[in-house]
Amino acid sequence: DQQVKQNSPSLSVQEGRISILNCDYTNSMFDYFLWYKKYPAEGPTFLISISSIKDKNEDGRFTVFLNKSAKHLSLHIVPSQPGDSAVYFCAAIDGGTSYGKLTFGQGTILTVHP
Amino acid sequence: EPEVTQTPSHQVTQMGQEVILRCVPISNHLYFYWYRQILGQKVEFLVSFYNNEISEKSEIFDDQFSVERPDGSNFTLKIRSTKLEDSAMYFCAMAQSNIQYFGAGTRLSVL
Repeated sequence: DQQVKQNSPSLSVQEGRISILNCDYTNSMFDYFLWYKKYPAEGPTFLISISSIKDKNEDGRFTVFLNKSAKHLSLHIVPSQPGDSAVYFCAAIDGGTSYGKLTFGQGTILTVHP
Repeated sequence: EPEVTQTPSHQVTQMGQEVILRCVPISNHLYFYWYRQILGQKVEFLVSFYNNEISEKSEIFDDQFSVERPDGSNFTLKIRSTKLEDSAMYFCAMAQSNIQYFGAGTRLSVL
């Protein structure tokens, strides 16, 4: 059951450049999307989210874009910093339930080189 | 951001033994969740808990699993008879609006 997919297992970027992480979903009932960052031996840390009524949300260096017709979202990190190196997970919530479960993608390992 | 504390950080147990994983929310929340991540796999939903009742559970959450909030603060996940395939990281989370905040996890190793 691959309702949320992150097709790139890893991404390598130079410090100061843009990192673009991608996520695709298949369930049209998803109406809220989140990005989490995870370091080894820690739990997922919330980064940024977006509701399906928007197509963009920005928070500092992080911007999430949502293309509902393509069922695609992306996370842009500008400028990338070595401390951003972590696993990034895309997650989605089914709008049919209040405080519903998160459905996660497989994650993308981001490495930012100094 | 709400703080979530999980204990123990690492639990080693023999197959067939019972384990209890604990989660302590620092602030007062009503919605709790358990997820797990088997090594190399994605984070999977196990169960959600609202107002002292299970609100949703996954296929993984079978009869060997149970959750409770025994004293109004701790939120526990019990695995009655552990199997080798239960070895995973178990994460507790709680919700504020639509955002879930996670604890650092408990690594369960079943031998």
